[in-house]
Amino acid sequence: GENVEQHPSTLSVQEGDSAVIKCTYSDSASNYFPWYKQELGKRPQLIIDIRSNVGEKKDQRIAVTLNKTAKHFSLHITETQPEDSAVYFCAARSERGYNKLIFGAGTRLAVHP
Amino acid sequence: NAGVTQTPKFQVLKTGQSMTLQCAQDMNHEYMSWYRQDPGMGLRLIHYSVGAGITDQGEVPNGYNVSRSTTEDFPLRLLSAAPSQTSVYFCASSYRDKNTEAFFGQGTRLTVV
Repeated sequence: GENVEQHPSTLSVQEGDSAVIKCTYSDSASNYFPWYKQELGKRPQLIIDIRSNVGEKKDQRIAVTLNKTAKHFSLHITETQPEDSAVYFCAARSERGYNKLIFGAGTRLAVHP
Repeated sequence: NAGVTQTPKFQVLKTGQSMTLQCAQDMNHEYMSWYRQDPGMGLRLIHYSVGAGITDQGEVPNGYNVSRSTTEDFPLRLLSAAPSQTSVYFCASSYRDKNTEAFFGQGTRLTVV
């Protein structure tokens, strides 16, 4: 079945540094790749997404890259701030079947002042 | 606009009890799904639905039942609760178009003792 692997599981950076989270997916028919941020005790919320016909997308300090050949995609956060501290989830949605959205295991990012 | 509403927010059950977690959305989304979130395991898909009368199993369906009689509601039933079902449960909805954002409810924290 579909599988999404996410690394690292925890990431600690100093304020102002960059953070990179990587995901790989197994289903070659996947064509939509969202990233969600979950703050402590809250619901996951979409921060950026990318579709399979695009290699890179940027929104202010956040960017996502996609390599369909290698079946992996990454989240890049530049100039990190303490409020970026949260759990980040990648996900993949496939064209097969009913377009299930499968999530990675999450990365806990800690940004230290 | 309420979005996705889950009830209850917290619940404690005894082993063997049954209960229904409620999920309602007011965005006229065709696609609804249930996830459970456990530490270190991300969001795992339990069941999902692409419209009224259509449901299918996700990654971890055992011990859970669902039905979809209306577009707005997608309840999750635990027939005989077990301690392994202690988790935080999230309901999500989106348009059926595969490239659209999934919106999450605020979650239900369930403890089975």
